[in-house]
Amino acid sequence: DQQVKQNSPSLSVQEGRISILNCDYTNSMFDYFLWYKKYPAEGPTFLISISSIKDKNEDGRFTVFLNKSAKHLSLHIVPSQPGDSAVYFCAASRAGANNLFFGTGTRLTVIP
Amino acid sequence: GAGVSQTPSNKVTEKGKYVELRCDPISGHTALYWYRQSLGQGPEFLIYFQGTGAADDSGLPNDRFFAVRPEGSVSTLKIQRTERGDSAVYLCASSSQGVYGYTFGSGTRLTVV
Repeated sequence: DQQVKQNSPSLSVQEGRISILNCDYTNSMFDYFLWYKKYPAEGPTFLISISSIKDKNEDGRFTVFLNKSAKHLSLHIVPSQPGDSAVYFCAASRAGANNLFFGTGTRLTVIP
Repeated sequence: GAGVSQTPSNKVTEKGKYVELRCDPISGHTALYWYRQSLGQGPEFLIYFQGTGAADDSGLPNDRFFAVRPEGSVSTLKIQRTERGDSAVYLCASSSQGVYGYTFGSGTRLTVV
């Protein structure tokens, strides 16, 4: 039972344009959401997070939006750069829990 | 060390053999986690240690899997009677802030032939 879903396995974007990566979840108990970035042969690295009490969090070129009623979040990268090419994982956790539930990932390719 | 270290980086073993995967967390991180990432999937939780004890082992798939952290630092994930379905990347993470501060290692790619 996949509680966190990323329905787009891949996305290609031109350098300088906006990248939008989407994530849906089914468990209404999730209250904290994270995005991780993963390069080949490396572990996932934390990118940005958002608490369920917010609907937007911004950090430089990266913004995460949360729509609790739709159980949907998205990661916006603008402007996209070739170094952003990686696999992006959405993850979620429940209050008080110590483990994360991950989506299956979206491979982003930024074309120079 | 500066980051989470996992050894070996790659392991090929024959079906039915026993393997041990090692994780050396960031110094001072009391929380340690093991995840498994199968091909085409996201990481899936296996077990969480707080100090020396396994605080949550609900993600271990069956009793062939076991993990220890005897001194509250290095952890070893042990898999008995390996099966081809155990082939995956095994990721270790440590944290000083629970889910708010995971640092992952580069993983061990296990291939069971």
